[in-house]
Amino acid sequence: NAGVTQTPKFQVLKTGQSMTLQCAQDMNHNSMYWYRQDPGMGLRLIYYSASEGTTDKGEVPNGYNVSRLNKREFSLRLESAAPSQTSVYFCALNPPGVSGANVLTFGAGSRLTVL
Amino acid sequence: QKEVEQNSGPLSVPEGAIASLNCTYSDRVSQSFFWYRQYSGKSPELIMSIYSNGDKEDGRFTAQLNKASQYVSLLIRDSQPSDSATYLCAVNKFDTGGFKTIFGAGTRLFVKA
Repeated sequence: NAGVTQTPKFQVLKTGQSMTLQCAQDMNHNSMYWYRQDPGMGLRLIYYSASEGTTDKGEVPNGYNVSRLNKREFSLRLESAAPSQTSVYFCALNPPGVSGANVLTFGAGSRLTVL
Repeated sequence: QKEVEQNSGPLSVPEGAIASLNCTYSDRVSQSFFWYRQYSGKSPELIMSIYSNGDKEDGRFTAQLNKASQYVSLLIRDSQPSDSATYLCAVNKFDTGGFKTIFGAGTRLFVKA
């Protein structure tokens, strides 16, 4: 997962607490993504950012906010955590290239448990 | 209907056999298709991409695409125990915010020694 750093790797929260998952890249890519992965559900897109300062909703954005203040970092915030947000969260990058030819590089993942 | 559908498995094949993984997608304008492999507790990694109808081979892996049927498949020849993993089918689609990748739920493959 060289080039994509996610923090923290593990976190336990109580219902109602807030936290921010951080994703940082050193690959100078424009597009960044946040996915969550639950058993039997595959990867579901939460939010994505095509460039610095822009963000868009994915398949499951409710309960999350994101921030892309610079090209290097894309953060995912849970304002009031719920048990349904217990999941493994992956940050991913997409290098610029042939239009439509997204190839994603993933971070190592952040395992979040909400009690 | 899910945008990308796969059989969840598990699919179990003996060592040396051909493993066949299938995927269908709903958006006809999709142009790019991918197979990612994910070992337990690890992040997904790309193993194949395919953009035009037909077959694409890379070592023991062959991806097949049929846009008319909206069908993508992955064949793994001479399956090895190290191929045991979850295989995720993924499709690109363009949205107002740019390109995004939608994944299927994954098929678990077990290769028995």
